[in-house]
Amino acid sequence: QKEVEQNSGPLSVPEGAIASLNCTYSDRGSQSFFWYRQYSGKSPELIMSIYSNGDKEDGRFTAQLNKASQYVSLLIRDSQPSDSATYLCAVIFSGGYNKLIFGAGTRLAVHP
Amino acid sequence: DVKVTQSSRYLVKRTGEKVFLECVQDMDHENMFWYRQDPGLGLRLIYFSYDVKMKEKGDIPEGYSVSREKKERFSLILESASTNQTSMYLCASRASQWGPQHFGDGTRLSIL
Repeated sequence: QKEVEQNSGPLSVPEGAIASLNCTYSDRGSQSFFWYRQYSGKSPELIMSIYSNGDKEDGRFTAQLNKASQYVSLLIRDSQPSDSATYLCAVIFSGGYNKLIFGAGTRLAVHP
Repeated sequence: DVKVTQSSRYLVKRTGEKVFLECVQDMDHENMFWYRQDPGLGLRLIYFSYDVKMKEKGDIPEGYSVSREKKERFSLILESASTNQTSMYLCASRASQWGPQHFGDGTRLSIL
């Protein structure tokens, strides 16, 4: 069974804090991992891609990947109210047509 | 930047009508996808295409068909619209089997 698991939230953090979003996946052969942000009523927007173990930073976002533990996370530093959205973890599962599997998403609320 | 364009943001149709949703991408991507998204059910894959004139069923293909006559265009067809097909429809494309998907703005379809 191909699965991507996320805590549905809501995760509530104060403005300026670090938001930590977590995701686990079931396929040890997965090679590609993505984080999407989705505002209510809008389409998912790609914010991070990560392919190797370790950290990848882009502005206020840091993606962390640990393939041995089958775990990927997203840190948002200096959280802003505009970061309030649902964050979708997505993993490409090996085999067949390399299907992209989405988690159900974590709702983040940043309060002033 | 990748541009995925869906023909309509909002669409209202009647039960039994044949409905066409159009999607165009401008990045010469080989893979294209159609999803629907409903509250509490996440993103569900309807159909995908990995090349011109090729198509594969996703997780929920019943009641839908697709057409890909040109590389840049992927159409979703509701053969005889029903009220349970009221949903947000999202088109996506990707350049390679290990790369991220890029989404269009979505079409919010209401079947009355």
